[in-house]
Amino acid sequence: SQTIHQWPATLVQPVGSPLSLECTVEGTSNPNLYWYRQAAGRGLQLLFYSVGIGQISSEVPQNLSASRPQDRQFILSSKKLLLSDSGFYLCAWSVINQPQHFGDGTRLSIL
Amino acid sequence: AQKITQTQPGMFVQEKEAVTLDCTYDTSDPSYGLFWYKQPSSGEMIFLIYQGSYDQQNATEGRYSLNFQKARKSANLVISASQLGDSAMYFCAMRRNQGGSEKLVFGKGTKLTVNP
Repeated sequence: SQTIHQWPATLVQPVGSPLSLECTVEGTSNPNLYWYRQAAGRGLQLLFYSVGIGQISSEVPQNLSASRPQDRQFILSSKKLLLSDSGFYLCAWSVINQPQHFGDGTRLSIL
Repeated sequence: AQKITQTQPGMFVQEKEAVTLDCTYDTSDPSYGLFWYKQPSSGEMIFLIYQGSYDQQNATEGRYSLNFQKARKSANLVISASQLGDSAMYFCAMRRNQGGSEKLVFGKGTKLTVNP
């Protein structure tokens, strides 16, 4: 069966520090991968999606970037975090015509 | 542009009763998919139920059913026999196909509280 792993679960970082959140999927090949952000009490906003290795599309202009170095690995990064980057980050995967399945999320607090 | 509207910020229901969570959508695409997800306080997003735009029958999954009214562009979630563990945020989402991916557009969610 397919599983998705996302870490860390929580992260507290100072303003201006770098960021790296990692997501890996097991049990499927060539999945679509997604990074979402959820502000407190709000719905999910799609940040990035990827349909294959090295293929990244950004949905909104922002301080973050994403990379897909391997088929089932998706990384969310920043060189310098801003206070506005705080939030709950969720990684998800899907295959064609199937629901997206989410990781457990990372709560990121910027101080 | 595609849009999902959930007009109920919060809903309350007594344990063992049924509850309907509203969702309306807006799209000009002839083919689309509608989803409901549950988000407990722990944060994970749990897939509940799916309805395709061409599906003739309403989707059902255990105690969850989707009341799909295509002409009205509504996709309400019905939870029967509510349980305390159903207390959570519920999000309606619509899938749009673009650039080979299948993106989801989410509503703002409804917070359901099940009272004993």
